[in-house]
Amino acid sequence: DAGVIQSPRHEVTEMGQEVTLRCKPISGHDYLFWYRQTMMRGLELLIYFNNNVPIDDSGMPEDRFSAKMPNASFSTLKIQPSEPRDSAVYFCASVGGTGKETQYFGPGTRLLVL
Amino acid sequence: TQLLEQSPQFLSIQEGENLTVYCNSSSVFSSLQWYRQEPGEGPVLLVTVVTGGEVKKLKRLTFQFGDARKDSSLHITAAQPGDTGLYLCADGRVQNFVFGPGTRLSVLP
Repeated sequence: DAGVIQSPRHEVTEMGQEVTLRCKPISGHDYLFWYRQTMMRGLELLIYFNNNVPIDDSGMPEDRFSAKMPNASFSTLKIQPSEPRDSAVYFCASVGGTGKETQYFGPGTRLLVL
Repeated sequence: TQLLEQSPQFLSIQEGENLTVYCNSSSVFSSLQWYRQEPGEGPVLLVTVVTGGEVKKLKRLTFQFGDARKDSSLHITAAQPGDTGLYLCADGRVQNFVFGPGTRLSVLP
């Protein structure tokens, strides 16, 4: 299996622009998580889905952030408009099958908002 | 809300030394997980422990879960440069994955 795939790996944008991060979970996994990691705040859970349905979005910082999962093999995290404080590494992770406790992380998207 | 603390925050040692890092929770763990994150990569699961007092070994790594299931330690024997990374503990409940802030380990050759 190819593992969790994220794109792009790096994104540099200017304040006010829209940013879309993409994730393809491991086939057959029924949970998908979006995290944000910074040196100051560590790894923060933003939102997670179960069977494509958002279950808990309490970690989404504000209305500028939105996430969708239109099908079992694709999810997006959108920031509109972006701000410099959104600069971080964004990870997607999936869980499923018999290993319900193991999260498989993607390589992350490193976002820099100027 | 469950809060996890890890210590030390940073650790820099020479190759061949032993070390121990710690994880403490404000509440009982559902199950405790240790992940290692190498630079530029996502975290990778090392081990899951469930039972209080449980000890698991993974080559040179020894994981211990406290009897009360609120704390854990990770001991590395004869550290190698390949052990360098961020070590994260987490509660492995799928409905409530919570990560600690991590211990950033650097093993110098």
